[in-house]
Amino acid sequence: GENVEQHPSTLSVQEGDSAVIKCTYSDSASNYFPWYKQELGKGPQLIIDIRSNVGEKKDQRIAVTLNKTAKHFSLHITETQPEDSAVYFCAASDMYSGGGADGLTFGKGTHLIIQP
Amino acid sequence: GAVVSQHPSRVICKSGTSVKIECRSLDFQATTMFWYRQFPKKSLMLMATSNEGSKATYEQGVEKDKFLINHASLTLSTLTVTSAHPEDSSFYICSARDYASGNTYNEQFFGPGTRLTVL
Repeated sequence: GENVEQHPSTLSVQEGDSAVIKCTYSDSASNYFPWYKQELGKGPQLIIDIRSNVGEKKDQRIAVTLNKTAKHFSLHITETQPEDSAVYFCAASDMYSGGGADGLTFGKGTHLIIQP
Repeated sequence: GAVVSQHPSRVICKSGTSVKIECRSLDFQATTMFWYRQFPKKSLMLMATSNEGSKATYEQGVEKDKFLINHASLTLSTLTVTSAHPEDSSFYICSARDYASGNTYNEQFFGPGTRLTVL
């Protein structure tokens, strides 16, 4: 099955600086890589995702890159703000076959702390 | 994006009782929903896949008689924790996939979670 590694477990950056979180995956069949933000006591919120047919995707201050050869993908947050403080999870999944779908395999999470 | 709700958001029960958690897709139909469990400061672990009109598929190590799943309609899945014990205390989160969009990727939307505390 799929195995997703995520680093670092904790990341502290100054407000306004950039933050980068990295993940690796093991299953070469995986083709969908979402990133979730989870605030304390709440469910995960999808913030951006990338599919295997592209190498980079950007949405305002958030970007994700994917290197299929190396099996790793990264989340980049620029101009960080206090409200970016949360736990971020990467995940991976393989192609939906049409007969059913698998659950996502999550990384262990990164606690992002934005220092004012 | 698609909205998924859960009810209740918090529940406290006595050891030995059963607790039912509901997961609803509010603005789309979901033939498949997923149930995850999350311990404090830990990641989400998939418990089972809930399929509308058929039996749920459980992950290895998850007791199917302990965690009963029913996918009654295209917008509702329920998780019942039977004979709950303190070690079942956890944050339970469901997710759902919008199949009608024709999306062949496994994009999932998560509910807000249910905090279960067993005394």
